[in-house]
Amino acid sequence: KQEVTQIPAALSVPEGENLVLNCSFTDSAIYNLQWFRQDPGKGLTSLLLIQSSQREQTSGRLNASLDKSSGRSTLYIAASQPGDSATYLCAVGGGADGLTFGKGTHLIIQP
Amino acid sequence: EAGVAQSPRYKIIEKRQSVAFWCNPISGHATLYWYQQILGQGPKLLIQFQNNGVVDDSQLPKDRFSAERLKGVDSTLKIQPAKLEDSAVYLCASRGLAGGELFFGEGSRLTVL
Repeated sequence: KQEVTQIPAALSVPEGENLVLNCSFTDSAIYNLQWFRQDPGKGLTSLLLIQSSQREQTSGRLNASLDKSSGRSTLYIAASQPGDSATYLCAVGGGADGLTFGKGTHLIIQP
Repeated sequence: EAGVAQSPRYKIIEKRQSVAFWCNPISGHATLYWYQQILGQGPKLLIQFQNNGVVDDSQLPKDRFSAERLKGVDSTLKIQPAKLEDSAVYLCASRGLAGGELFFGEGSRLTVL
């Protein structure tokens, strides 16, 4: 059974810092990995999708990497802003199956 | 392009009552998912549809939960009778292609008193 762990559970940093969120998964036989953002009381917003054959994906100030063999992914946020404050969720998928989620990292960017 | 639509956004009921949630996926998306998200947890898959057929309902508590997707478009998730531990956000998601990006709705927040 796939298990996804996200570290740290919570993180608070001053505005402008670069930061890294970590995600690990137990079964490396994944089809893809997706990072989401969730604001309080809202649904999930997709940030980046990495296919199993890819090593990384970039969107603006966000960069996600995938090391399938070691069961790890990182989400790098450059030059953090208060608007980046949210919960970040990592999820892994097995192709046509649904995604298995971690519990998320609650991020606060201090102005 | 319209996103995944869900209703109602909020529902408060007493235990043993029933409730139903509705989802309209992104147009053309064949795969539809219902997830349950308890406060402080990541979403947990309840059921997956491919068109109007069930692909995976292994984590759906079938004694009280039911879901259908008539005509392969809209879907309804029902809980009857509700328990206190069913208090959660129920998220609907859809996907167009296998292995493609998953898109979520805003969710339906259920409080069972």
